[in-house]
Amino acid sequence: DTEVTQTPKHLVMGMTNKKSLKCEQHMGHRAMYWYKQKAKKPPELMFVYSYEKLSINESVPSRFSPECPNSSLLNLHLHALQPEDSALYLCASSQPPGGSGAYNEQFFGPGTRLTVL
Amino acid sequence: DQQVKQNSPSLSVQEGRISILNCDYTNSMFDYFLWYKKYPAEGPTFLISISSIKDKNEDGRFTVFLNKSAKHLSLHIVPSQPGDSAVYFCAASDDGGSQGNLIFGKGTKLSVKP
Repeated sequence: DTEVTQTPKHLVMGMTNKKSLKCEQHMGHRAMYWYKQKAKKPPELMFVYSYEKLSINESVPSRFSPECPNSSLLNLHLHALQPEDSALYLCASSQPPGGSGAYNEQFFGPGTRLTVL
Repeated sequence: DQQVKQNSPSLSVQEGRISILNCDYTNSMFDYFLWYKKYPAEGPTFLISISSIKDKNEDGRFTVFLNKSAKHLSLHIVPSQPGDSAVYFCAASDDGGSQGNLIFGKGTKLSVKP
């Protein structure tokens, strides 16, 4: 299985809602990532988990709350979002960075298209 | 301030010809570079990479060239096929892979015409 899956594919939520994005991989990767991609912009890193521990938080507002319950799952909990948070949210996974001395390429999921009304 | 720049938002090439996608960077600490391909409604797919200790890496129809003095890399696709039509992202890492932080360019949309 060389796939990263993300659910849901599309999500529409109001500014007062609480929702969660889910990401799953079964490649044995121990690093997982959340990226945000706005239209006509490059993906921007939000969070990195390495061995289920948060290793990078790129100054993301607290209305985004990541969670890594185990090595295969990565969640992104959303609360009190703003319309400008509407974007494609991409999950990726890789072998832990720096493990073998070689760079480990990241495998991306298809993304969740989020619209905040 | 963009550290990874893809100055051509789009490129159109005839099937069978060479496609050349360019990428410039400003951070001299970048030590690993990757190209990703993205189809609509899908996540980016890893294509090919190159370490800063090399100047060329080849994989089938895809070759990446790195010119460190010019802070420039390019992706060559030969021969181009209609299925190569996608958005191509250049990405770079400045941490030797220790953190997994990738910085992406804005992408170039490649259209290969039959």
